[in-house]
Amino acid sequence: QVQLVQSGAEVKKPGASVKVSCKASGYTFTSYDINWVRQATGQGLEWMGWMNPNSGNTGYAQKFQGRVTMTRNTSISTAYMELSSLRSEDTAVYYCARWGDGSGSYYSDYWGQGTLVTVSS
Amino acid sequence: EIVMTQSPATLSVSPGERATLSCRASQSVSSNLAWYQQKPGQAPRLLIYGASTRATGIPARFSGSGSGTEFTLTISSLQSEDFAVYYCQQYNNWPQAFGQGTKVEIK
Repeated sequence: QVQLVQSGAEVKKPGASVKVSCKASGYTFTSYDINWVRQATGQGLEWMGWMNPNSGNTGYAQKFQGRVTMTRNTSISTAYMELSSLRSEDTAVYYCARWGDGSGSYYSDYWGQGTLVTVSS
Repeated sequence: EIVMTQSPATLSVSPGERATLSCRASQSVSSNLAWYQQKPGQAPRLLIYGASTRATGIPARFSGSGSGTEFTLTISSLQSEDFAVYYCQQYNNWPQAFGQGTKVEIK
């Protein structure tokens, strides 16, 4: 079965960077894009961007341009999302999700369990 | 950017009753709309894509309709496990966007 397993919770100081991993199993990792969505406590879902694990191509929401980097290691079927220059407003649960159905429709059908990133001095 | 607006913010429904949730797009998204369910402490779960196609394993009591700018998610007979927050998401235009969510609570 398709699974996305994310790394554990992180506590970071303002100005630092965080790198969250997302290990895929149960499907061919390079056949589907991965996207990242975050959710602050009690708030809605905020889309951050996507990555094609086959080519490494990425696309980022304008809000995160210059601060986010999405990468992958195909040998271990793992995607990464790194967010830099952290501020308190970045405190949120970060989700990876498989994105797209292979026919041009980009919804998220399988999600990781989420990673809580807390930014605090 | 397309803005997705969901209504109502909170819907109070008794078990067994029908729930109707609305989602409006600021411009046409064709049928490129998905619905997700999220329970406390859990990741979102895909319910509907293509505005009306149920995802794998989703019960038939969930149905989606609409196209263009107006969409509806209907839960025909609410079960206890259906009380949750529901989000719509458009994926027709860059960047994709979520609505702010509708909380379905027990009346």
